[in-house]
Amino acid sequence: AQKITQTQPGMFVQEKEAVTLDCTYDTSDPSYGLFWYKQPSSGEMIFLIYQGSYDQQNATEGRYSLNFQKARKSANLVISASQLGDSAMYFCAMREGNDYKLSFGAGTTVTVRA
Amino acid sequence: GAVVSQHPSRVICKSGTSVKIECRSLDFQATTMFWYRQFPKQSLMLMATSNEGSKATYEQGVEKDKFLINHASLTLSTLTVTSAHPEDSSFYICSANTKPGQPQHFGDGTRLSIL
Repeated sequence: AQKITQTQPGMFVQEKEAVTLDCTYDTSDPSYGLFWYKQPSSGEMIFLIYQGSYDQQNATEGRYSLNFQKARKSANLVISASQLGDSAMYFCAMREGNDYKLSFGAGTTVTVRA
Repeated sequence: GAVVSQHPSRVICKSGTSVKIECRSLDFQATTMFWYRQFPKQSLMLMATSNEGSKATYEQGVEKDKFLINHASLTLSTLTVTSAHPEDSSFYICSANTKPGQPQHFGDGTRLSIL
């Protein structure tokens, strides 16, 4: 079974608008961490935001916020005030327990239009 | 912040050549590093976990003799693609953890093209 599911292969968003990228996860481990990475066309993986399973509040980092709904096992990324430089592929990933390994979703390509 | 350096960034070589890719943690010690492979517009596929001072742990379906991993020090892991063929052409990217709960830090990746 897929551990991380990203159902949106591609999305278009108008500059300055907000966009929500969906991510659902599957784990039986009570301790886990959820990550979002951005991958521009140049290929590097840029860490955006992290949410721990025991964190009481939703994580925020600048224009990035994570809508963490534990009961629904979802960890959607919200990018506010989109910029042209936000055009990239976005990956949701999960780490379970004490394992350092990450499981990645299929990714969502975001294209920001001027 | 933590920095991971990967070299080379791009390799073009003939079929049958062996290619070595280096992954270095520049400002921290990494007992564990990871090697991923990525095809265009697809997700990262974990190939193996590189463990300092011991054998790498390979994911199912990854050929150990084809993709040799060496992690001889706390700051360096290498991936050698032996006798590379066109089907080995891909984007290879490494990562390392500083500590549990911290994000993995990635190298900039290596684009390998086998002619």
